[in-house]
Amino acid sequence: QQPVQSPQAVILREGEDAVINCSSSKALYSVHWYRQKHGEAPVFLMILLKGGEQKGHDKISASFNEKKQQSSLYLTASQLSYSGTYFCGTFTGGGNKLTFGTGTQLKVEL
Amino acid sequence: NAGVMQNPRHLVRRRGQEARLRCSPMKGHSHVYWYRQLPEEGLKFMVYLQKENIIDESGMPKERFSAEFPKEGPSILRIQQVVRGDSAAYFCASSPVSRPEEQYFGPGTRLTVT
Repeated sequence: QQPVQSPQAVILREGEDAVINCSSSKALYSVHWYRQKHGEAPVFLMILLKGGEQKGHDKISASFNEKKQQSSLYLTASQLSYSGTYFCGTFTGGGNKLTFGTGTQLKVEL
Repeated sequence: NAGVMQNPRHLVRRRGQEARLRCSPMKGHSHVYWYRQLPEEGLKFMVYLQKENIIDESGMPKERFSAEFPKEGPSILRIQQVVRGDSAAYFCASSPVSRPEEQYFGPGTRLTVT
């Protein structure tokens, strides 16, 4: 029921790119991406709605493949500030509760 | 424009005591959600409320936990007779009526049960 994220963890050097995937076994209405730093609240990154949407701001973008029930988050030219745990959250319709994924720990090093 | 506010930020309770966690949503938001995050785990939905109404409490434990969002004042998550397993970070989120899918999180309350 919980969306599965991959990879579980990734270490990057500053400037490298990363892709984080989120897969659901249920039909998705929308996908939400958050970043959480240790001991802090999740910070909203973006929402993708049905329709094969792609979005992006700065060097972080995402896509949503409704047919495959998957979303991917793309981080390009990573910065130290990108470090944290990334969660996808999904709405499967019929309510407003977000079901969060398993999380991906990202660490960017010099 | 203040964000979602939660207090206290840290709460220590002994086993058997009650814990009360407060959440004030962002201005203009009338939907409130509570999530729990156990150490090293993801967030789990607990309850969704609108003013004076519980809309979805499917994630709430059947006993000892209750939530309210009165007409005036903050939303409150109450945990009675706390046990060690209740130790976690409790996050509140709020969303506007027009865009319920946009949930913004507060800083959380870290509950420690000794």
